[in-house]
Amino acid sequence: GESVGLHLPTLSVQEGDNSIINCAYSNSASDYFIWYKQESGKGPQFIIDIRSNMDKRQGQRVTVLLNKTVKHLSLQIAATQPGDSAVYFCAERREKLTFGTGTRLTIIP
Amino acid sequence: ETGVTQSPTHLIKTRGQQVTLRCSSQSGHNTVSWYQQALGQGPQFIFQYYREEENGRGNFPPRFSGLQFPNYSSELNVNALELDDSALYLCASSLGRGNTEAFFGQGTRLTVV
Repeated sequence: GESVGLHLPTLSVQEGDNSIINCAYSNSASDYFIWYKQESGKGPQFIIDIRSNMDKRQGQRVTVLLNKTVKHLSLQIAATQPGDSAVYFCAERREKLTFGTGTRLTIIP
Repeated sequence: ETGVTQSPTHLIKTRGQQVTLRCSSQSGHNTVSWYQQALGQGPQFIFQYYREEENGRGNFPPRFSGLQFPNYSSELNVNALELDDSALYLCASSLGRGNTEAFFGQGTRLTVV
């Protein structure tokens, strides 16, 4: 069946350091993997996506890595800022989006 | 701001009642998806509407139903409310069925007592 899981429910990172949020998935048929950021009281916000035939994609301060061999996805945030504090979800898409349970990222000043 | 608006923002209903939640999609978007997000969980797909027709449904009972209107706004209706229906209901709009860059509204917080 489909499932998307995250390795850690919480992550604390010093301001200015890099953050790495990990995710495991089980559906090999997914065509896209997406990272969302959800701040308190708001809906999820699209960060970056990666097609299943790619292994790396970079955006502004973010990089997503996809390892299809071990079915693992990660989001790297460079030079973490206080505004990065949020819950981060990985999601996979086949006909619909399937979200994981989320990792709460806390920035330590 | 995503341009996706949901109403109301908060709602309290009694078990057994019916509720209608509304979503206005971003201008130019023809696809609306609805999600249920329980506290501490990721959003769960309820269904999707594309150009006024249902285009996929998640594992939710028939008492969850929806509509999409010619202007692509959408409604989510839930009949015979149960306590477990308490959640944040999210609407997401996108251009086309396969677009991963879906824009979410701020959600409607439904509490069933």
